[in-house]
Amino acid sequence: AQSVTQPDIHITVSEGASLELRCNYSYGATPYLFWYVQSPGQGLQLLLKYFSGDTLVQGIKGFEAEFKRSQSSFNLRKPSVHWSDAAEYFCAVGAVAAGNKLTFGGGTRVLVKP
Amino acid sequence: DAGVIQSPRHEVTEMGQEVTLRCKPISGHNSLFWYRQTMMRGLELLIYFNNNVPIDDSGMPEDRFSAKMPNASFSTLKIQPSEPRDSAVYFCASSSGGPNQPQHFGDGTRLSIL
Repeated sequence: AQSVTQPDIHITVSEGASLELRCNYSYGATPYLFWYVQSPGQGLQLLLKYFSGDTLVQGIKGFEAEFKRSQSSFNLRKPSVHWSDAAEYFCAVGAVAAGNKLTFGGGTRVLVKP
Repeated sequence: DAGVIQSPRHEVTEMGQEVTLRCKPISGHNSLFWYRQTMMRGLELLIYFNNNVPIDDSGMPEDRFSAKMPNASFSTLKIQPSEPRDSAVYFCASSSGGPNQPQHFGDGTRLSIL
């Protein structure tokens, strides 16, 4: 079965600084990878997804993520963080063997300092 | 475009009462998912449907929980009788099916059982 690990539970970053959130997955074949963001009181919103092709994918809100097969990672990055990026971020993996289910990581909560 | 619609947004009730949460998926989506989110356990998949048929209910905590999808545009999650430990945010999500399809989440129902 596939699994997803987000090693950082909390990250604090200054506004304007860069941000990188780590995601490691475990799955034997090529996974389908997703990043979601959850603002307080809201549901999860899709930031970006990776299926195949270019390993650097662009998403909404200025985020990007890079798939590295050799490291089983799909880290999320943003060059310059805005105060509105304070939220919880979830990495998820889909797999053919899992049907239509996604496996979510535990989430990383991002705090943005002024 | 209308997203996933959940109702009610908030529910406060006393233990022992029946609780019914409702979800309208995105039109054309054939997969529907119910999740529960708590601080302690994070995001948990309770059950999911494909084409209105329950596929995997292994995440349903116990017999007090039941879910139905009578047609493609409506699903309910029922708790009877409710207990304080059921207090959580319940999310509904839908997708167009397949492990490579992102799930689209509603804004959730915040349930408090007193």
